[in-house]
Amino acid sequence: AQSVSQHNHHVILSEAASLELGCNYSYGGTVNLFWYVQYPGQHLQLLLKYFSGDPLVKGIKGFEAEFIKSKFSFNLRKPSVQWSDTAEYFCAVTPNQAGTALIFGKGTTLSVSS
Amino acid sequence: DVKVTQSSRYLVKRTGEKVFLECVQDMDHENMFWYRQDPGLGLRLIYFSYDVKMKEKGDIPEGYSVSREKKERFSLILESASTNQTSMYLCASSLPSGQGNQPQHFGDGTRLSIL
Repeated sequence: AQSVSQHNHHVILSEAASLELGCNYSYGGTVNLFWYVQYPGQHLQLLLKYFSGDPLVKGIKGFEAEFIKSKFSFNLRKPSVQWSDTAEYFCAVTPNQAGTALIFGKGTTLSVSS
Repeated sequence: DVKVTQSSRYLVKRTGEKVFLECVQDMDHENMFWYRQDPGLGLRLIYFSYDVKMKEKGDIPEGYSVSREKKERFSLILESASTNQTSMYLCASSLPSGQGNQPQHFGDGTRLSIL
């Protein structure tokens, strides 16, 4: 069965620190990859997505992610975090075919102290 | 902007009750989804639907059923609520995968407590 692993359950950083959240998936075929963010008390929002082309994708709020096919990875990065980045981050994968749903990782809680 | 509306933000029900959670989207999306979100478990797919009157089981369908009579509405039904169904329930919608691989758009969630 397909699965998504997020390596870090809880990450604590100071403002201006760099961020990298790991995400690995298990599926041998073509996939679509997503990172979602859930700020406290808010609904899930799309941060960025990868379907094809340049494996380095840029999203909102200065986030980027790199798809490394050989490693089945899609890690999220941000050079300098802010207090407002405190949230829960979910990596998600879906096979590139009709009639399929997103498979989510268990999420990583990011706490940024000012 | 896509709007996915869940009928209740908070809901408290009793064990054994039949519970209905409603979700409506306003973007004519074919795909609709129900997830539950639990701490440390992420989002788990309960059911999804890729067309009216069509439904597919997700990873954890036991104890749940769904109804999709109209394209814009996708209902989740707890046939006989149990305390282990206390959770945050999220509805989402999207265009079909073939149409540019559109991402899913989520509602605000319904926090359901079963007493």
